[in-house]
Amino acid sequence: AQRVTQPEKLLSVFKGAPVELKCNYSYSGSPELFWYVQYSRQRLQLLLRHISRESIKGFTADLNKGETSFHLKKPFAQEEDSAMYYCALSGSGYSTLTFGKGTMLLVSP
Amino acid sequence: DAMVIQNPRYQVTQFGKPVTLSCSQTLNHNVMYWYQQKSSQAPKLLFHYYDKDFNNEADTPDNFQSRRPNTSFCFLDIRSPGLGDAAMYLCATSTRGVGNIQYFGAGTRLSVL
Repeated sequence: AQRVTQPEKLLSVFKGAPVELKCNYSYSGSPELFWYVQYSRQRLQLLLRHISRESIKGFTADLNKGETSFHLKKPFAQEEDSAMYYCALSGSGYSTLTFGKGTMLLVSP
Repeated sequence: DAMVIQNPRYQVTQFGKPVTLSCSQTLNHNVMYWYQQKSSQAPKLLFHYYDKDFNNEADTPDNFQSRRPNTSFCFLDIRSPGLGDAAMYLCATSTRGVGNIQYFGAGTRLSVL
């Protein structure tokens, strides 16, 4: 069975502080990992995926297979980063997603 | 310019009264998904279609059914809603393949009285 764990329900930081949203997964094969974000009153949307190895809005995430982690990082948080962040996993050969419970990021001025 | 459209945004039904939620897409994606999301929980996949091929998750209750009459539309039917079915229902689409992006609708919030 595949599982995604986001240990923090809420992460509160000040503007300009570094941010790390944790994500750990359990999957026996080779997974695809994603971060989806939901801003206030907006729909759920892709932030980034590990297959693309890109940085979006200053966020990066590295897949660590040894630690089975895909933590989301940003060196300097901005107020507009406040949102709900979901880590998600897609198993090999499938396009369906298993989501974590999400972490609410609050960035205060 | 919304690409995945869910109607209605809010739906109120009575206990046991059948209800249908709808989803349409302008992306011409061949995969469509229905998720249930309860408060403070992860979106949970109910089922999905690869074109016309229906794929039900093992733990999706029989009370939930789906129809996809064509590429653009997909419906979620709840035959006899219970109080525990009150939730946000999300529709998403993607092209077929691992690692492909899912595009979500704004969701329908279902209340059961």
